[in-house]
Amino acid sequence: EAGVTQFPSHSVIEKGQTVTLRCDPISGHDNLYWYRRVMGKEIKFLLHFVKESKQDESGMPNNRFLAERTGGTYSTLKVQPAELEDSGVYFCASSLLGQPNTEAFFGQGTRLTVV
Amino acid sequence: AQSVTQPDIHITVSEGASLELRCNYSYGATPYLFWYVQSPGQGLQLLLKYFSGDTLVQGIKGFEAEFKRSQSSFNLRKPSVHWSDAAEYFCAVVDFSGNTPLVFGKGTRLSVIA
Repeated sequence: EAGVTQFPSHSVIEKGQTVTLRCDPISGHDNLYWYRRVMGKEIKFLLHFVKESKQDESGMPNNRFLAERTGGTYSTLKVQPAELEDSGVYFCASSLLGQPNTEAFFGQGTRLTVV
Repeated sequence: AQSVTQPDIHITVSEGASLELRCNYSYGATPYLFWYVQSPGQGLQLLLKYFSGDTLVQGIKGFEAEFKRSQSSFNLRKPSVHWSDAAEYFCAVVDFSGNTPLVFGKGTRLSVIA
């Protein structure tokens, strides 16, 4: 069975451009989470989907970030326009409904560099 | 608010030597505790977790961790390190409901030398 997959693995964009990150969770996992790690700092929560609904988006840094999960399958995280401080590694995780963070599986992350 | 402290940013050990990575947490009650590892080019992999019961938990790849309530610690140990253990290690907590986001420490990078 495939694990959580994220695309792209790396992205380098210029300040002001738009970037869209994608996460494909494990099939059947209704919980989907986005986290981010800025260099040298801890991994921080961004938001949580249950199926297609946003359960918790308290960690989203500002309105330049837009997350969607159409149809409750894969999710996208768009950054528009990107700023230098958005650079970091973006992780996605998924888990079964009824087993939230305690049983989450993580993807390999997308390394975003804004120059 | 919950917080996790990993005081060591980078540790270097010789292959075959023992290892202990430190983790302290701040939380009003006993949380669920985790250790994750990220090898180069890989995602976060769960090494082990503590929910309740025996305070010494065994994980994959020969790792173990001990929960010490009095010290608010959950240190990760391995008796003999292999070169393939070189990676970054993250301690994380979540409250006992399991319905809040994971809170991570800043990570400890482990280098293994011959």
